[in-house]
This record gives sequence, structure tokens and C-alpha cells, in this order.
Amino acid sequence: AQSVAQPEDQVNVAEGNPLTVKCTYSVSGNPYLFWYVQYPNRGLQFLLKYITGDNLVKGSYGFEAEFNKSQTSFHLKKPSALVSDSALYFCAVRENGGFKTIFGAGTRLFVKA
Amino acid sequence: DADVTQTPRNRITKTGKRIMLECSQTKGHDRMYWYRQDPGLGLRLIYYSFDVKDINKGEISDGYSVSRQAQAKFSLSLESAIPNQTALYFCATSDFVNSVALYFGPGTRLTVL
Repeated sequence: AQSVAQPEDQVNVAEGNPLTVKCTYSVSGNPYLFWYVQYPNRGLQFLLKYITGDNLVKGSYGFEAEFNKSQTSFHLKKPSALVSDSALYFCAVRENGGFKTIFGAGTRLFVKA
Repeated sequence: DADVTQTPRNRITKTGKRIMLECSQTKGHDRMYWYRQDPGLGLRLIYYSFDVKDINKGEISDGYSVSRQAQAKFSLSLESAIPNQTALYFCATSDFVNSVALYFGPGTRLTVL
């Protein structure tokens, strides 16, 4: 069965510092991996995805994520955090050829000015 | 978010009442989904539909039913609402051929008293 773990409920970072939001996954086949962001009173917005190819994928708003097959991880990163990055971030996985996307519990990111 | 709309945006109801949440999309996507968001649990899949004649149960379908009235419309019903169905409900769409990402509506906040 597919599963996603986001080990941190909350991440705090100062503006201008690099940020990392962690995600590990379990899936029986090759994974499709995603990051979504949710701002207050809004639906989830797609940030980036890994399907195949380069392990480092780049997405919206300067975010990137690194796929590590041996560690079954897909951590979200940004070199320099902005206060406006403060939001709830969800990691998600779908098995290649599967039909359902499974979400992690979410990590709340606070960026302090 | 404007491509996927949900009505109502907020609803307060009483235990035992029948409630319908509606979702419409202008993205032309064939696949539609209903998710439920609870704090600390992330998003859980209730039902999904790959076309008008296809309806599938997700992780937590008990107490819910759906109807795919057209390619662009997918409604979720609570036949007899109960307090533990208080949550934020999201409709999402995807186009399997061109993109595996999900596109979400703005959500419906449902409170069952």
C-alpha cells in the first residue's frame, strides 16, 4: 500500500535562510511524487512533481525537490526563504500506473522576518 | 482555482440532515475527485471518477455518495450528516494524458452540529 510520511508538523526558518521540508514515501512500484502548497482559506496548489529523469526537480516560486530512491525521500527545498512562503505544505505519492494520489499529513512552514 | 469551483463555500447543518456539495470544472479534465481534509491527517480520498459512467470508492467512502452528472460536474452527498463529518472538503481534477497533477477547488467548509 502507498503511504507518505512528513515527519515534521512544523518547520521554522528565518527569512533569507535555506529551508527544507522533509518527506518519505512507500510505494510498491515506481513513484510519481508531488508537492502541493496550501495558503489560508485556499485550495491546494501544485508546486512540482517527479516522474522520471533528473533527481532534482524545479517548481514554482523557486522551490525544488530532490528525489532519493535509496532513501525513499522527496524533500522540498528552497535556497532563500521568504515570509510569503509561510503556508501548509503537502507531499503526495502516486504509484506509476495507479489511480490514487495519497497525501501526507502536511507540514506547516513559518518564515520569520 | 477559478477553473474548479465548489458550492457552497461554507455550510453549517444539523445531525441527520442531507447535504450536497457541488463541484464544477472548466479545465476539460476527465478525472474528478473528492477529498476530505482534517487537521493532522492531511487529505483523504472519498470518491473518484474517471468518466461519467465510472465511480470508485476511496479510503473513506462510508457515509458519502457521489454523482457524476456530466464530465464537468461531480457532486458529493452526505445522506445523513453526523458531527465527525465536520471537515474541509476539496474537489480536484486531473488530466491523465497531459498531466498527473491534481488541480483543486477552493474547498467547502462543512460543520455538522
